[in-house]
Amino acid sequence: DTAVSQTPKYLVTQMGNDKSIKCEQNLGHDTMYWYKQDSKKFLKIMFSYNNKELIINETVPNRFSPKSPDKAHLNLHINSLELGDSAVYFCASSQAGTAQYFGPGTRLTVT
Amino acid sequence: TQLLEQSPQFLSIQEGENLTVYCNSSSVFSSLQWYRQEPGEGPVLLVTVVTGGEVKKLKRLTFQFGDARKDSSLHITAAQPGDTGLYLCAGRSGSARQLTFGSGTQLTVLP
Repeated sequence: DTAVSQTPKYLVTQMGNDKSIKCEQNLGHDTMYWYKQDSKKFLKIMFSYNNKELIINETVPNRFSPKSPDKAHLNLHINSLELGDSAVYFCASSQAGTAQYFGPGTRLTVT
Repeated sequence: TQLLEQSPQFLSIQEGENLTVYCNSSSVFSSLQWYRQEPGEGPVLLVTVVTGGEVKKLKRLTFQFGDARKDSSLHITAAQPGDTGLYLCAGRSGSARQLTFGSGTQLTVLP
């Protein structure tokens, strides 16, 4: 069974569109995260949710909005996509601040 | 902002050689983790070190946490092509749930 899953794996879209990325974890973890990995492979935290509550919200444009319907899901909605949003987005989960388990990533390409 | 600098950024070696990757910061971390990321996948945790001076071994991989808990190293003995990947260190400060990731070392082991 996949521990942390993301959909879609690849997402190609045009500037100005709105898109969502879904994430689910079946590990029973209490904390979920969204990371952005740029072309230089630098991994930067965007958001963190603990038990459905936002606890980390780094400086990201307000076009990015996370939504956590329950502890096992954390979705990322992006409005008015821009070229600079092109990157690989990773979802991760952990229990009580221990090891983080990452999903396979979503490669977003904005044209 | 706590920065974790990794060196070298890129490393290409022949199978059977030894190598060391470094992770340095001016900040003190309560724990430090090492991850390996393969193309098209998310990072996977290799080890967590929490005590200054701690050394952990994982088969041919040896991880060391600096005495002052500001730096760490990863040594690979007799590297194999399967060791190829992006190696990321990540530090946690105090009781923070947030991980700060290093800049990464891309390792290529040639057969």
